[in-house]
Amino acid sequence: DVKVTQSSRYLVKRTGEKVFLECVQDMDHENMFWYRQDPGLGLRLIYFSYDVKMKEKGDIPEGYSVSREKKERFSLILESASTNQTSMYLCASSHRQGIYEQYFGPGTRLTVT
Amino acid sequence: DQQVKQNSPSLSVQEGRISILNCDYTNSMFDYFLWYKKYPAEGPTFLISISSIKDKNEDGRFTVFLNKSAKHLSLHIVPSQPGDSAVYFCAAPVGTALIFGKGTTLSVSS
Repeated sequence: DVKVTQSSRYLVKRTGEKVFLECVQDMDHENMFWYRQDPGLGLRLIYFSYDVKMKEKGDIPEGYSVSREKKERFSLILESASTNQTSMYLCASSHRQGIYEQYFGPGTRLTVT
Repeated sequence: DQQVKQNSPSLSVQEGRISILNCDYTNSMFDYFLWYKKYPAEGPTFLISISSIKDKNEDGRFTVFLNKSAKHLSLHIVPSQPGDSAVYFCAAPVGTALIFGKGTTLSVSS
């Protein structure tokens, strides 16, 4: 069974803290993605990676960075958390070629106070 | 600028009736579309897809229709059930990634 797991379901951090969100997939997928979901704004792509150590900016990369040292793991980093980064963060993965379906993790609800 | 638009933020339907969720797109190069369903506090799950070589794809109670000339697709759920209450997103591939609409919240009352 396909599985994407995220390190935390709920996280509360203070403004200015460095925050790491971890995502692991067990499907040997090449592509991995980070989205945030906000009410009325849908899912917005932050960053994605199509291979180990490769990354591409999505629509809203400002304030975020990513790391992909191993194929199965994709990390999202908030270098200095701000209150406007309070959101639901969703990780997803997909195969490389021609298969568009993405598999999502359960999400991390991050609150920055 | 939104390339995939879901203009109805919410839809309320009675159990047993048909739910119709709509999605419009602006890029005529899009040739594949997906629908995802999302419950609160869970990740989206893939529901159904359609290629532009078809105008209809059916899977049980769920049918997606594609009208390429109108750049419009719709998801029909028949009959609707209370467990269908969720947020529904349409999406289209752009390179490696997917671009999502803002979602429509479906509420099915018993």
